Amino acid sequence: EPEVTQTPSHQVTQMGQEVILRCVPISNHLYFYWYRQILGQKVEFLVSFYNNEISEKSEIFDDQFSVERPDGSNFTLKIRSTKLEDSAMYFCASSEWLRNEQFFGPGTRLTVL
Amino acid sequence: SQQGEEDPQALSIQEGENATMNCSYKTSINNLQWYRQNSGRGLVHLILIRSNEREKHSGRLRVTLDTSKKSSSLLITASRAADTASYFCATDASQTTDSWGKLQFGAGTQVVVTP
Repeated sequence: EPEVTQTPSHQVTQMGQEVILRCVPISNHLYFYWYRQILGQKVEFLVSFYNNEISEKSEIFDDQFSVERPDGSNFTLKIRSTKLEDSAMYFCASSEWLRNEQFFGPGTRLTVL
Repeated sequence: SQQGEEDPQALSIQEGENATMNCSYKTSINNLQWYRQNSGRGLVHLILIRSNEREKHSGRLRVTLDTSKKSSSLLITASRAADTASYFCATDASQTTDSWGKLQFGAGTQVVVTP
């Protein structure tokens, strides 16, 4: 069964460093998303992406964040200058079409020291 | 606005019993999705119910949706120890192209099934 994959599973970085989280969505899906979950809190929407551009972004998704689909399979989230409060589990998701099931990857646990 | 608030926050049952959890939301929705999350792991999609549907089944799962009450329930029948997890509802309330596909999650119900 096709699934969303994410790498790395765990990333430790120093405050102020740049990180890139990678995702491979399900191959025939057209919509891509990033969510995050701070430990013990709700899953929060960050951004949606369709047709090579951002469809919507939350207030969390400020200028420090960017997304890219560099090729036909990968979808990346970049945080330019990490802060302590960026420590969270980051989930990538994809859906075949708008308002369909969103399938999530296993997540990348980001720890900012 | 807050969407998708589950109750109870926690549920402890014996294997073989049924588990029911509820989700309430505040605005009109396109669909509501239920997910399972094992501790520290990813979100596993369980079922999607659209706003024009009232009930849906998938294996031992039964989901209902009452749009007049803005609520949904998830029933797990004949629970197993492997059903121990947190269960979340997530609403897709996107009404315009300004909010495409954004899911809003609740805080979840933590279910413990003891053998």
